[in-house]
Amino acid sequence: RKEVEQDPGPFNVPEGATVAFNCTYSNSASQSFFWYRQDCRKEPKLLMSVYSSGNEDGRFTAQLNRASQYISLLIRDSKLSDSATYLCVVRGAQKLVFGQGTRLTINP
Amino acid sequence: DARVTQTPRHKVTEMGQEVTMRCQPILGHNTVFWYRQTMMQGLELLAYFRNRAPLDDSGMPKDRFSAEMPDATLATLKIQPSEPRDSAVYFCASGLGGLGKNAEAFFGQGTRLTVV
Repeated sequence: RKEVEQDPGPFNVPEGATVAFNCTYSNSASQSFFWYRQDCRKEPKLLMSVYSSGNEDGRFTAQLNRASQYISLLIRDSKLSDSATYLCVVRGAQKLVFGQGTRLTINP
Repeated sequence: DARVTQTPRHKVTEMGQEVTMRCQPILGHNTVFWYRQTMMQGLELLAYFRNRAPLDDSGMPKDRFSAEMPDATLATLKIQPSEPRDSAVYFCASGLGGLGKNAEAFFGQGTRLTVV
């Protein structure tokens, strides 16, 4: 079983729709959680950290459920520019472990 | 803007040749990661360093791969001999190695390696 698991998609949604991604992790001792975004042929970049209380950054909302070892990302009012691969990232011990990524395409 | 710098950006080499990839982490960052990305496996952690000391290289094929940090401004990843299955994008990332926001890793643009 992989340490971090995501549905690879692809997700194809119309512009303006709301889309949600989920991610599960296996290491209950994990301490930090992130969502990264990766555009085609580019490096991953931090989208947002994920806090236990949940956090929001504009159209993006991240949630963490430690009991279920589950992380989610919600994108509201999706834009064409949101098309990318979204990577769930978990920090266990001192290393950062990435999920496979979920590919999202926003259609006009 | 401070950024992680990787060289070369692209490398095409013949099977059996040695490949060396270099990374300059962001000044002041004490943690350096090497990742490999392929379509099939996604981002795999190969090795990481803290304060130039290797902490974990269990993700790296030991017989042909080696990773070092000769000094705080340079990390290297070598493959010798290279094989076609090593073809991938190799990313270096650096960070402060802390918790919460300080656990964030900043990535270089990657080295796209093709072994023919």
